[in-house]
Amino acid sequence: DQQVKQNSPSLSVQEGRISILNCDYTNSMFDYFLWYKKYPAEGPTFLISISSIKDKNEDGRFTVFLNKSAKHLSLHIVPSQPGDSAVYFCAARKAGNQFYFGTGTSLTVIP
Amino acid sequence: DAEITQSPRHKITETGRQVTLACHQTWNHNNMFWYRQDLGHGLRLIHYSYGVHDTNKGEVSDGYSVSRSNTEDLPLTLESAASSQTSVYFCASSESSGGINEQFFGPGTRLTVL
Repeated sequence: DQQVKQNSPSLSVQEGRISILNCDYTNSMFDYFLWYKKYPAEGPTFLISISSIKDKNEDGRFTVFLNKSAKHLSLHIVPSQPGDSAVYFCAARKAGNQFYFGTGTSLTVIP
Repeated sequence: DAEITQSPRHKITETGRQVTLACHQTWNHNNMFWYRQDLGHGLRLIHYSYGVHDTNKGEVSDGYSVSRSNTEDLPLTLESAASSQTSVYFCASSESSGGINEQFFGPGTRLTVL
């Protein structure tokens, strides 16, 4: 049973435009949500996180929005750059540092 | 610089053999995790440890075991490898202080069970 879902396996965006990656979850006990970025043949690297008590967190070009009532979060990348092309994983944490990951969205930023 | 390493990076083995994947971190993190990544499933937690001599089962622990004899290492053992265990395996570590502690991942081990 997938508790964290990323329903879009892939996304293509023009350089300079906004990339929006979406994530849905089912478990209301999650207290933190994170986004990881993964390049081929490398491990995931942490990008940005948000507490369940917040609705927005911003770090440079990256902003994460959380809608608790809809159990939905999104990652906005503005402006998108070719170096952003990677697989993005959404993750959610339950108490005790157990993390549940989505299936990933492959982002391609077209120059 | 602190880092987390995995070895081997690639492994081919036969069904029924015992396989051990190594994970070593120099972050001095108490928390360590093993995940497997499969198409259509994302990353799934196999086992995790909150400190020396502590181990816990994750979402997909059947057929796997871990032991934690020191802070730096958490080896993952497949007691009798099965073709269903063909996957990419990632080790991760994190601090154990309060708040959100993002995980630092190793580069992964690609395991093929024939």
